[in-house]
Amino acid sequence: QQQVKQSPQSLIVQKGGISIINCAYENTAFDYFPWYQQFPGKGPALLIAIRPDVSEKKEGRFTISFNKSAKQFSLHIMDSQPGDSATYFCAAPWGSSNTGKLIFGQGTTLQVKP
Amino acid sequence: EAEVAQSPRYKITEKSQAVAFWCDPISGHATLYWYRQILGQGPELLVQFQDESVVDDSQLPKDRFSAERLKGVDSTLKIQPAELGDSAMYLCASSFGGSPYNEQFFGPGTRLTVL
Repeated sequence: QQQVKQSPQSLIVQKGGISIINCAYENTAFDYFPWYQQFPGKGPALLIAIRPDVSEKKEGRFTISFNKSAKQFSLHIMDSQPGDSATYFCAAPWGSSNTGKLIFGQGTTLQVKP
Repeated sequence: EAEVAQSPRYKITEKSQAVAFWCDPISGHATLYWYRQILGQGPELLVQFQDESVVDDSQLPKDRFSAERLKGVDSTLKIQPAELGDSAMYLCASSFGGSPYNEQFFGPGTRLTVL
């Protein structure tokens, strides 16, 4: 079964530091890789996504880096803030499906210490 | 801001009982997804609707789970009978279309506990 492998499982960062979360995916027909952010008691919300006609996308303090040959992509959170403390999920389109079906990583719980 | 609505937010039931969850997607969103999220894991797709039609239910345990979206708007997910292993968060999401590039908007979920 297709998988998206996400690491680390948990991450503790000091305020102002850089948080880095990595994902590796298997074959997919569509190059679209979103990251979702989930706070306790809430549903996931789209944080940032990349359609890799580029190798990097930046939105504010959040950057996705993409390495197509290695089938890996990562989320970098610059100047991490306590409000960034949440669980982060990467996702990838499921195989050759063009229906919007996503497969999610296991999640990374980020704690930013003040 | 438009949101996906889900009810109930919490449900506690005993095994072998029937439970049902309701989802109202964002107005105008043709595609609706039901996910199951086990504690400490990522969401897993159970069923996907395009309007009132099922697009994908390959991961739905059809012996006990059923889902419908009769008028292509709101949707109900049912479990009968519930088992201990069904304890999880059930998330509903919607998107404008079924393209991989369409953002999925998630509701707050229903936390199910089976005793």
